[in-house]
Amino acid sequence: GAGVSQSPSNKVTEKGKDVELRCDPISGHTALYWYRQSLGQGLEFLIYFQGNSAPDKSGLPSDRFSAERTGGSVSTLTIQRTQQEDSAVYLCASSLEGVFPDTQYFGPGTRLTVL
Amino acid sequence: DQQVKQNSPSLSVQEGRISILNCDYTNSMFDYFLWYKKYPAEGPTFLISISSIKDKNEDGRFTVFLNKSAKHLSLHIVPSQPGDSAVYFCAASDDYKLSFGAGTTVTVRA
Repeated sequence: GAGVSQSPSNKVTEKGKDVELRCDPISGHTALYWYRQSLGQGLEFLIYFQGNSAPDKSGLPSDRFSAERTGGSVSTLTIQRTQQEDSAVYLCASSLEGVFPDTQYFGPGTRLTVL
Repeated sequence: DQQVKQNSPSLSVQEGRISILNCDYTNSMFDYFLWYKKYPAEGPTFLISISSIKDKNEDGRFTVFLNKSAKHLSLHIVPSQPGDSAVYFCAASDDYKLSFGAGTTVTVRA
C-alpha cells in the first residue's frame, strides 16, 4: 500500500510569513507524529496524535507552531511568523496503534527554508 | 541536550567487509532501540530494533548489539553492499517518542 506522503516537498518562504505543511499517513494507522531535522542534528520530536486522544504537544518549540489532525487522518503543521531558525526538514511518521513499542514509518519530509 | 549520540559522522568501508556503527545514550529509562536508514530525499526507513531485555538481534546481514551497562548499542552490517550507502540513524525510546542521534553516513566502496 501507499506510504506516508507529505506536501510540499520543498517550501521557501520569507521571514515573518506563515506556512502549512501537510501529512497523509498510511491508511489505517491511528498514530501520527511530527519531527524536524535541523542541519547536522538528529530528528527532534514535535507532536504526537493518537486516535481521539488529546495530542502530546510537548515537543513544539514555541507557540508559533501548531498542528491539527482532521478526521483521524490527514495532519497539518502550521508555523506562524516563520523565523530563520525554523529552517529544517519536517518529517511526518505514522504507526499502526501508537502503543509502545510500535514501528514508525516516515514520509519523505518537507524541506523548509526561511529567507 | 542530546540523549542519543552517534559520534562518528561518517564511515567508509569496502564492499564485502563489515560495517560497524556505534551509538551511545544517556537516558537509563530507554528500553527500546531502533536503527533507521535514510537515502537522500527520502524519509528514514526502519531497519532493525532491539528491546532492552535482549542483548542481540539479528536480521539477515544486520545485527544490533545492546550493552545496557555501558548504554551503548551498535549495528553490524556484513557483508557490506553498495546499496547500503546511506545515512543511518540510531533511535531510542521509553514511550512513543523517539530520540534520534545525528546520523552516520556510510559509504561502501566497490
